[in-house]
Amino acid sequence: DTAVSQTPKYLVTQMGNDKSIKCEQNLGHDTMYWYKQDSKKFLKIMFSYNNKELIINETVPNRFSPKSPDKAHLNLHINSLELGDSAVYFCASSQGGGGNSGELFFGEGSRLTVL
Amino acid sequence: GNSVTQMEGPVTLSEEAFLTINCTYTATGYPSLFWYVQYPGEGLQLLLKATKADDKGSNKGFEATYRKETTSFHLEKGSVQVSDSAVYFCALNSGGYQKVTFGTGTKLQVIP
Repeated sequence: DTAVSQTPKYLVTQMGNDKSIKCEQNLGHDTMYWYKQDSKKFLKIMFSYNNKELIINETVPNRFSPKSPDKAHLNLHINSLELGDSAVYFCASSQGGGGNSGELFFGEGSRLTVL
Repeated sequence: GNSVTQMEGPVTLSEEAFLTINCTYTATGYPSLFWYVQYPGEGLQLLLKATKADDKGSNKGFEATYRKETTSFHLEKGSVQVSDSAVYFCALNSGGYQKVTFGTGTKLQVIP
């Protein structure tokens, strides 16, 4: 009954490969996000979807493509992986497309290692 | 744009010591302010929040007061435990669509 779940938890792959990370939330939230956390723990937002519509698209290489089949799911596909893509990727969700409540619910993270 | 500045870590304290982690912010309008905590190997979870000036957020013995005049939201705890060892993130939200701005995180290590 995990609120925000992501798979896989660990991913080790070679440069140039394509990989996907899946995220599902069972909180009934209508907004979902992808964050990237680097080795120094710095968190950077990548994308945000509200009711399957792309809302935030930060400066991210177009090798990264999010997909939201419904408001409970937000997947992240990465093409042509590079060494610098190694990081922990967090999925998160929240309720509401506006307002200041701001509380985010995070998944446990997916650690991607590119060799 | 919005920004959050936290004190750099790591912070190492003995059990039962007093903790302060400084956080200041720059934002337009009247943001909501948050502290999130990340335990080893886990995702972030909300620790406490404050939505307007002079509000005090508190949880698990941690407190932070929203100070508009100094644009600060410092985290405090009177007596830390080993189980408080984690990375603490200050954050704000002042825009629509939940665009939250995080600080760089402060690692706290509590030794017995």
